[in-house]
Amino acid sequence: SQTIHQWPATLVQPVGSPLSLECTVEGTSNPNLYWYRQAAGRGLQLLFYSVGIGQISSEVPQNLSASRPQDRQFILSSKKLLLSDSGFYLCAWSPGSNTEAFFGQGTRLTVV
Amino acid sequence: AQKVTQAQTEISVVEKEDVTLDCVYETRDTTYYLFWYKQPPSGELVFLIRRNSFDEQNEISGRYSWNFQKSTSSFNFTITASQVVDSAVYFCALSPYNTNAGKSTFGDGTTLTVKP
Repeated sequence: SQTIHQWPATLVQPVGSPLSLECTVEGTSNPNLYWYRQAAGRGLQLLFYSVGIGQISSEVPQNLSASRPQDRQFILSSKKLLLSDSGFYLCAWSPGSNTEAFFGQGTRLTVV
Repeated sequence: AQKVTQAQTEISVVEKEDVTLDCVYETRDTTYYLFWYKQPPSGELVFLIRRNSFDEQNEISGRYSWNFQKSTSSFNFTITASQVVDSAVYFCALSPYNTNAGKSTFGDGTTLTVKP
């Protein structure tokens, strides 16, 4: 069966520090991968998605970037965090079009 | 542009009550998918159901049922005989047909609290 791992679960980082969140999927090949951010009390905002290695699409301009160095690995990064980057970040995967997405357990990022 | 509206921000019920979570959507696409996800306190979203726009049959799964009405652009979710474990945030989502479902547009969610 397929599983998705996302870490760390919680992170407290100072303003201006770098960020690296990692997500890996097991049990499938060539998944579509996604990074979402969830602000408190709000829905999910799609940040990035990837349909293959090295292919990244950004949905909203921001202080973050994403990379997909391997088929089942998706990384969310920032060179310098802002206070506004605080939030709950969720990684997800889907087998392809017309299917539901499966989510990781999320990372709660607090920028102080 | 797509939009999903979950007008109920928070709902509180007592265990064993029935509760309906509303979802209204807007899209110009003629074919699309609708989803419901559950987000328990642990944080991860759990997929509950997918419904395509050309199948308006209602669906029942145990205590859960979904009412899709294309004429009113609604996809409501009912929990019968609610339980404390049903307490969570529930999200409705919409995605165009033949697109990456992970690119869905999500509503802001409804927080359901079931009290014992």
